[in-house]
Amino acid sequence: GESVGLHLPTLSVQEGDNSIINCAYSNSASDYFIWYKQESGKGPQFIIDIRSNMDKRQGQRVTVLLNKTVKHLSLQIAATQPGDSAVYFCAESHGQNFVFGPGTRLSVLP
Amino acid sequence: KAGVTQTPRYLIKTRGQQVTLSCSPISGHRSVSWYQQTPGQGLQFLFEYFSETQRNKGNFPGRFSGRQFSNSRSEMNVSTLELGDSALYLCASSLKRTSGRNNEQFFGPGTRLTVL
Repeated sequence: GESVGLHLPTLSVQEGDNSIINCAYSNSASDYFIWYKQESGKGPQFIIDIRSNMDKRQGQRVTVLLNKTVKHLSLQIAATQPGDSAVYFCAESHGQNFVFGPGTRLSVLP
Repeated sequence: KAGVTQTPRYLIKTRGQQVTLSCSPISGHRSVSWYQQTPGQGLQFLFEYFSETQRNKGNFPGRFSGRQFSNSRSEMNVSTLELGDSALYLCASSLKRTSGRNNEQFFGPGTRLTVL
């Protein structure tokens, strides 16, 4: 069946450095992807999305890259701040339902 | 504008019991989706309701059910609880059906269910 996974379950970065969170998806028919951020005690919060007809999309301090050839998605966070500490999920969809990855915990070191 | 609210926030039940969770979407949102979140499986889609009708359903047993009212508020019910049902249950609302593009889902804080 379709699945979405993450390469790294935990990631620690120094404050001010850039963070890169990776995600692999298995369904080549997926055409829409979202990154979510989930802080402790809260529900997931939308960060940025990308459609399969794009390779890159930029937001405020975040960039999502999509490589359809190898079915890989990444989230880049520039100048990581303490407030970025959270669990990050990727999600993919090819129609109706979303399939989420297990999440990567990002820890920002002072 | 108030966000998505879920009640109760925490719940403890024993095996065999049933439970009902409630979700109030953002005002004006007509789509409500339910998800189960566990450390091992991550976020898994349960079902989506739109205009009081179930539109999509995930791969969960029939013990999991839901409904949506005319004011878009939604409830989900789990009958004959099992230990493995312990999880964070998240509700998300959106303006349109989740299959629509540019249709952001807003998540509530979730209900933490513990089955003993």
